[in-house]
Amino acid sequence: GAGVSQSPSNKVTEKGKDVELRCDPISGHTALYWYRQSLGQGLEFLIYFQGNSAPDKSGLPSDRFSAERTGGSVSTLTIQRTQQEDSAVYLCASSLSGDRYGYTFGSGTRLTVV
Amino acid sequence: AQSVSQHNHHVILSEAASLELGCNYSYGGTVNLFWYVQYPGQHLQLLLKYFSGDPLVKGIKGFEAEFIKSKFSFNLRKPSVQWSDTAEYFCAVNTGTASKLTFGTGTRLQVTL
Repeated sequence: GAGVSQSPSNKVTEKGKDVELRCDPISGHTALYWYRQSLGQGLEFLIYFQGNSAPDKSGLPSDRFSAERTGGSVSTLTIQRTQQEDSAVYLCASSLSGDRYGYTFGSGTRLTVV
Repeated sequence: AQSVSQHNHHVILSEAASLELGCNYSYGGTVNLFWYVQYPGQHLQLLLKYFSGDPLVKGIKGFEAEFIKSKFSFNLRKPSVQWSDTAEYFCAVNTGTASKLTFGTGTRLQVTL
């Protein structure tokens, strides 16, 4: 597609439920990133995929968070047993190659845990 | 690990005023520097970027930024802001050996008529 597509755009879930957030990157972009944007917190790095390399999971805040990228394209971020502090906008971005091109961001998924 | 500081959290300017948003990073090696903008209700967009060469970088919509290596800074400037520049601005850095961008906490710019 023309841009990075994320779904759903909004998700309200009850505390303790699992959620899946989807990201469809720009075709041909080998690098894919997940960030979390909380009010007043800026953008917090979560996880990074580059081609067939092992993902950089160093930003995942707990083992309730996981992500996968199938076939080098679509990625799913899963949050298990959601907590209220997980409420945030989850942003996905992709790039041709990580280093020098900057990212193209999606519009994000606003997750609200009630 | 690198970090990015944006000291101005909220800036209010009148139209036609000049803008300078501060960005400092901490990393001793080679860096790539970026400014992103997020207009209300829209996704993050790249404003400008610096890799090497001329430390004065020009971006879209009349924005520019200057890389001062000795000060570890990459401040964003615009000579005359418009109401449509109202947005949140994020500075970001990555290094020559790491791909992921580290972002500052952002500066919210409000331009009044």
